[in-house]
Amino acid sequence: SYELTQPPSVSVSPGQTARITCSGDALPKQYAYWYQQKPGQAPVLVTYKDSERPSGIPERFSGSSSGTTVTLTISGVQAEDEAVYYCQSGDSTGTFFGGGTRLTVL
Amino acid sequence: QVQLVQSGAEVKKPGASVKVSCKASGYGFTRFHMHWVRQAPGQGLEWMGIINTSGGYTNYARKFQGRVTLTRDTSTSTSYMELSNLRSEDTAVYYCARSFRQYGMDVWGQGTTVTVSS
Repeated sequence: SYELTQPPSVSVSPGQTARITCSGDALPKQYAYWYQQKPGQAPVLVTYKDSERPSGIPERFSGSSSGTTVTLTISGVQAEDEAVYYCQSGDSTGTFFGGGTRLTVL
Repeated sequence: QVQLVQSGAEVKKPGASVKVSCKASGYGFTRFHMHWVRQAPGQGLEWMGIINTSGGYTNYARKFQGRVTLTRDTSTSTSYMELSNLRSEDTAVYYCARSFRQYGMDVWGQGTTVTVSS
């Protein structure tokens, strides 16, 4: 089955850079997507196709890919970035999410 | 503006079925496929399936095959998710989400809470 592994939590101070990783054997062959979810809200797409950013998403959010790992980088973290972040990928059989990473802004 | 508006919360007994609707507006409904995703309390996101809103073709996650049915009504720009034989583990928030750039989801509904309890 398709598995995407994320760390449960990441903590950073305001203004620092947060990096959230997502690992999976299929990632070299498939694009990854990242979502931000705040409590009580629907997820929001923050990057797509590994490194593209949808319109309206701040430039401090960026995605990258290397081998079996994709990374969401948030530069100059702000208090409002505190949320759970999910990676997602897929293939012809369907799509799958990682378990989520809680970003805490200290 | 582009939006997806879902039907209201549901409370069901074990063994029953639930049907959640998702009405699209602000864009060409049949130009984008529609995903359905659920989230149990305190848990992560779980993909259930996708429907081609133009042709009606579907692809379901293996876990839900045989219990979930996705349909759409192009005349009202509405997608539907029906889940049968409900059990307590199906208690969750159910989301519809517009498909974007292959597997992404760029517009989400507000979510529909389904509670399964005897």
